[in-house]
Amino acid sequence: TQLLEQSPQFLSIQEGENLTVYCNSSSVFSSLQWYRQEPGEGPVLLVTVVTGGEVKKLKRLTFQFGDARKDSSLHITAAQPGDTGLYLCAGIGNTGTASKLTFGTGTRLQVTL
Amino acid sequence: GAGVSQSPRYKVAKRGQDVALRCDPISGHVSLFWYQQALGQGPEFLTYFQNEAQLDKSGLPSDRFFAERPEGSVSTLKIQRTQQEDSAVYLCASSLAGWRPYGYTFGSGTRLTVV
Repeated sequence: TQLLEQSPQFLSIQEGENLTVYCNSSSVFSSLQWYRQEPGEGPVLLVTVVTGGEVKKLKRLTFQFGDARKDSSLHITAAQPGDTGLYLCAGIGNTGTASKLTFGTGTRLQVTL
Repeated sequence: GAGVSQSPRYKVAKRGQDVALRCDPISGHVSLFWYQQALGQGPEFLTYFQNEAQLDKSGLPSDRFFAERPEGSVSTLKIQRTQQEDSAVYLCASSLAGWRPYGYTFGSGTRLTVV
């Protein structure tokens, strides 16, 4: 069973602060995605990283895929209240024909004024 | 439609009751997935369809869970003789193809509460 552990589980910060969320696994993934989920809604895809060592930027969000494709991080610069939500990493495995997602345990972020 | 539509949004079932949850994927999307999300957890895979074929049902927790997609579009997840541990949000996702690295579009989910 592939497991993805996220840390921290909960994070409460003030507007303007920086933060990093980590996603770690003992398994290798062919690619990894990050989602944000708000209460009562489904996860919304933020980014897909495919290549080991890859770094992608989406405005104030920076995503990195580990060289060994086992881990990833999400860094948010100057957090805003609109960043509040549940952040989920999800790995796509190397085997099988279906690209089913293995989700991480989630990081709940709250950004206050 | 523009997005993945799920109905009902909320369902309260008495223990032992059968329920049916519906998913309307984005038109033309070949792949359809069902996930179960317990409170405060990440979603967990239940089953996968490519068109009308159910190619993976390894995540279905018991034989009380059944899913179908007879015409390759709308899908229904049925849970028979519901139990309290079935209480969760059931998410449906569709994608243009099952191949990496295409993204998935999730519906808003159906929150099932078994009392």
